[in-house]
Amino acid sequence: KQEVTQIPAALSVPEGENLVLNCSFTDSAIYNLQWFRQDPGKGLTSLLLIQSSQREQTSGRLNASLDKSSGRSTLYIAASQPGDSATYLCAVINSGNTPLVFGKGTRLSVIA
Amino acid sequence: GAVVSQHPSWVICKSGTSVKIECRSLDFQATTMFWYRQFPKQSLMLMATSNEGSKATYEQGVEKDKFLINHASLTLSTLTVTSAHPEDSSFYICSVGSVYEQYFGPGTRLTVT
Repeated sequence: KQEVTQIPAALSVPEGENLVLNCSFTDSAIYNLQWFRQDPGKGLTSLLLIQSSQREQTSGRLNASLDKSSGRSTLYIAASQPGDSATYLCAVINSGNTPLVFGKGTRLSVIA
Repeated sequence: GAVVSQHPSWVICKSGTSVKIECRSLDFQATTMFWYRQFPKQSLMLMATSNEGSKATYEQGVEKDKFLINHASLTLSTLTVTSAHPEDSSFYICSVGSVYEQYFGPGTRLTVT
């Protein structure tokens, strides 16, 4: 059974810092991995999707890497801003029509 | 990506009543939809997989007689919480999936008083 772990559970940083969020998964036979953002009381916003054949994806200040063999992914946020404050969820999918398995998330606070 | 809507966005109901939540896939033919539940400060947990034209598949520990799922068309799935109790208060989110990506609705916050 696939399990996804995210470390740290919470993180508080001053504005402008670069930061890394970590995600690990137990079954490396994934189809793809997604990073989501969730604001309090809101739904999910998809940030980046990395297919199993890819090593990384970039969108603006965000960069996600994937090491499938070791079961790890990182989300790098450059020059953090207060607007980045949210919970970041990592999720993996093992085949095309099965549901995502989520980690518990990292709650990020960027202090102005 | 696919656009998914949910209705209502929030609902308050009294204990013992039933509540229906709709999930619509606006531009994607969804043979399968997924229903998740999220308790405060917890991650999303899959409740059930909704299959168009057939019975839903429920995850272990989820009561199928309490959480009724109907997926009558390729664009609509409904989740009915029957005889709701305060412990059913949660954030319910649906998603539709393709081979490449999952698309999520905005969620429905249910509060049972």
